[in-house]
Amino acid sequence: SAVISQKPSRDICQRGTSLTIQCQVDSQVTMMFWYRQQPGQSLTLIATANQGSEATYESGFVIDKFPISRPNLTFSTLTVSNMSPEDSSIYLCSVGDTLNTGELFFGEGSRLTVL
Amino acid sequence: GDSVTQMEGPVTLSEEAFLTINCTYTATGYPSLFWYVQYPGEGLQLLLKATKADDKGSNKGFEATYRKETTSFHLEKGSVQVSDSAVYFCALSGPGTYKYIFGTGTRLKVLA
Repeated sequence: SAVISQKPSRDICQRGTSLTIQCQVDSQVTMMFWYRQQPGQSLTLIATANQGSEATYESGFVIDKFPISRPNLTFSTLTVSNMSPEDSSIYLCSVGDTLNTGELFFGEGSRLTVL
Repeated sequence: GDSVTQMEGPVTLSEEAFLTINCTYTATGYPSLFWYVQYPGEGLQLLLKATKADDKGSNKGFEATYRKETTSFHLEKGSVQVSDSAVYFCALSGPGTYKYIFGTGTRLKVLA
């Protein structure tokens, strides 16, 4: 298993500002992902955070809006840029298990409210 | 594209009642199927999974069977407890990948 810590756990932000969310894992992992959970909706994959190279973004998500860093195998950041109220969501960091069973482990999420 | 549909909540049950949360999917190929649970104030955690047709996943008294003929993976528990109150997510992933498709989640509330 993996223990994932996210910071901040919640924040209230002003329109037009940017916020960086940190994800720290207690062990080295290869697969790391960022999800978004909008109010009343399902989880949607934003991108795969690749160590040492650019993140791989899903359709509908772009690097300019959601820049991601992955400097090593235990840490990643997601920035939500130029925020608008539509960005109000829970952002979740997740990692794939090291035994390749297909299981994902999740952090507790970062709840962002944009005014 | 692939998708997961699960019943809308909230579902409210009395303690010791029988639980069913329906989940159906559409996918190309043979996905793996999962149920994740999110307890209040916590992150999602894997409840059970099945990787091929007719597999039954089970954990903590919960069960779900991978039914390819009906493209379903319904979650069941014979006798729910107050501590089972949570949001339950059905999900699928393609073989050999970690790209998940999640359902919208079903909130379960169990009353004492």
